[in-house]
Amino acid sequence: GENVEQHPSTLSVQEGDSAVIKCTYSDSASNYFPWYKQELGKRPQLIIDIRSNVGEKKDQRIAVTLNKTAKHFSLHITETQPEDSAVYFCAASRAPYQFYFGTGTSLTVIP
Amino acid sequence: DTEVTQTPKHLVMGMTNKKSLKCEQHMGHRAMYWYKQKAKKPPELMFVYSYEKLSINESVPSRFSPECPNSSLLNLHLHALQPEDSALYLCASSQDRAGTLHAEAFFGQGTRLTVV
Repeated sequence: GENVEQHPSTLSVQEGDSAVIKCTYSDSASNYFPWYKQELGKRPQLIIDIRSNVGEKKDQRIAVTLNKTAKHFSLHITETQPEDSAVYFCAASRAPYQFYFGTGTSLTVIP
Repeated sequence: DTEVTQTPKHLVMGMTNKKSLKCEQHMGHRAMYWYKQKAKKPPELMFVYSYEKLSINESVPSRFSPECPNSSLLNLHLHALQPEDSALYLCASSQDRAGTLHAEAFFGQGTRLTVV
């Protein structure tokens, strides 16, 4: 099965700075890579996703990059705000419905 | 309506009890999922239903029994659970569009289960 590693496990940044979270995956057949944000006590919510035929995708302050050759993808958050504080999970999927999550990154944005 | 609704929000049960978790969505999604999430851990896939048929069972113990009565409902029947089964149980759904392999999974708020 797919093995998704995520780093760092915790990340603290000053408000306004950028945050980068990195994931690697093992299955070269994986072709869909969503990122989920989970606030304390709440449900995971999709914030951005990327498919394997695209190298980069951006949505306002959030961007994701994908390197298929190296089998890694990254989440970039610019101009961080306190409300960005949450746990972020990457995931990889090679087949419909089978999402394998990374171990999570707890992001704290310090005002 | 982009909601996945789970009931109950909290559940405490003894190891000899039988209980059920319920999940409902009215987005017309044809794939529904059960995930288990322990504290500070990622969600772990348990079951996937596609068009009301069980398509994935990730080697889950038989004390967890899923059921999909119709395209909007998903149940998880619990029997003879162990304290280590205490966790947040998340339901999710996604659209199975023809020609699209993947679609966003919408999660419910979860049921926080405690087994005593």
